[in-house]
Amino acid sequence: DGGITQSPKYLFRKEGQNVTLSCEQNLNHDAMYWYRQDPGQGLRLIYYSQIVNDFQKGDIAEGYSVSREKKESFPLTVTSAQKNPTAFYLCASTARQTNTGELFFGEGSRLTVL
Amino acid sequence: GENVEQHPSTLSVQEGDSAVIKCTYSDSASNYFPWYKQELGKRPQLIIDIRSNVGEKKDQRIAVTLNKTAKHFSLHITETQPEDSAVYFCAASLNSGNTPLVFGKGTRLSVIA
Repeated sequence: DGGITQSPKYLFRKEGQNVTLSCEQNLNHDAMYWYRQDPGQGLRLIYYSQIVNDFQKGDIAEGYSVSREKKESFPLTVTSAQKNPTAFYLCASTARQTNTGELFFGEGSRLTVL
Repeated sequence: GENVEQHPSTLSVQEGDSAVIKCTYSDSASNYFPWYKQELGKRPQLIIDIRSNVGEKKDQRIAVTLNKTAKHFSLHITETQPEDSAVYFCAASLNSGNTPLVFGKGTRLSVIA
């Protein structure tokens, strides 16, 4: 069953701790993205990667870090420098070489910082 | 960079009526405009998209129109049903699949039975 898997679905952390959200896809997609969703704010781009070992900052990259060591994986680390980390995080992927442009989303990870 | 404005933020309609959601974009070079639907507790999913070489596209009860001159595009849902209740996001980008989408803030549509 092809798709994008995010884990964990729910995560609680204490303030000041780093946390890593996992995102794995078996769709053979080249490009992967991390979006943050807050009520009334839409989907805001944190980081994206169009190819292995390369990634670019999105609109709200401060306090986050990513890596892209494998095509299938694009983990997001929420660092202690992120001032307001409590949010719903969505990972997505798309096939760059097609003309559809459709983003396939994971089910999301809800992070709550206590 | 691109900026996408979406209105209204909430919309309530009676079952069977039509719903219209409007978006404007700032970058005249944008050429790909998708719409995503996010049901409560679920992931966003593409429902329809349009490219700048087309003015209108329909798929059963949903349609999207694009006015490049005015830099706005709209989602039209006819004969609304309770299962249409969701948050709808518009988005814009250059070169679909090669540049990140910029999303609007979303519209929460409620269809009242």
